[in-house]
Amino acid sequence: DTEVTQTPKHLVMGMTNKKSLKCEQHMGHRAMYWYKQKAKKPPELMFVYSYEKLSINESVPSRFSPECPNSSLLNLHLHALQPEDSALYLCASSQERWDGYTFGSGTRLTVV
Amino acid sequence: EDQVTQSPEALRLQEGESSSLNCSYTVSGLRGLFWYRQDPGKGPEFLFTLYSAGEEKEKERLKATLTKKESFLHITAPKPEDSATYLCAVQAGNTPLVFGKGTRLSVIA
Repeated sequence: DTEVTQTPKHLVMGMTNKKSLKCEQHMGHRAMYWYKQKAKKPPELMFVYSYEKLSINESVPSRFSPECPNSSLLNLHLHALQPEDSALYLCASSQERWDGYTFGSGTRLTVV
Repeated sequence: EDQVTQSPEALRLQEGESSSLNCSYTVSGLRGLFWYRQDPGKGPEFLFTLYSAGEEKEKERLKATLTKKESFLHITAPKPEDSATYLCAVQAGNTPLVFGKGTRLSVIA
């Protein structure tokens, strides 16, 4: 298995909702990442997990809450989002933090 | 601060018209330079990793090269299905990938 699987593929949520994005990989990678990407912009790093521990938080608002329950799974919990948070949310993983990344296909999030 | 600059921002080619995309970088202690292809609404798809100046890698119509200051992605006889955004990213030390803004390539039949 050489894939990073993200669910759901599309999500529409209201500003008062709570939802979660899920990311799974079974390549034995020890680093996992959340990126946010707006249209026609490069991916922006949000969080880095290394060996299941949060190692980088790029000053992301607290309405985004990451979780790494085990080495294969990464979640992003969403609460009280704003319309400007609408974007493509990408998960990636790598063998170690200095290796190339494998990206998932993303979750297209729309906040209404 | 690590920087990655891609040019051109957008490129329009006729089918069969070869060209090159550029990625220039300023980082301390380069570990690797990565090329990704991204289709609209999809995640980036890995193409190549280059580790040292002089290295070259090829895949179908694509060839990536690396010098001490820049990398080129050469596209030979492109087809419409090569239309996508091509992202360059660099990694130094233990820091996460730093992405360039990408080149949007359109290949017209």
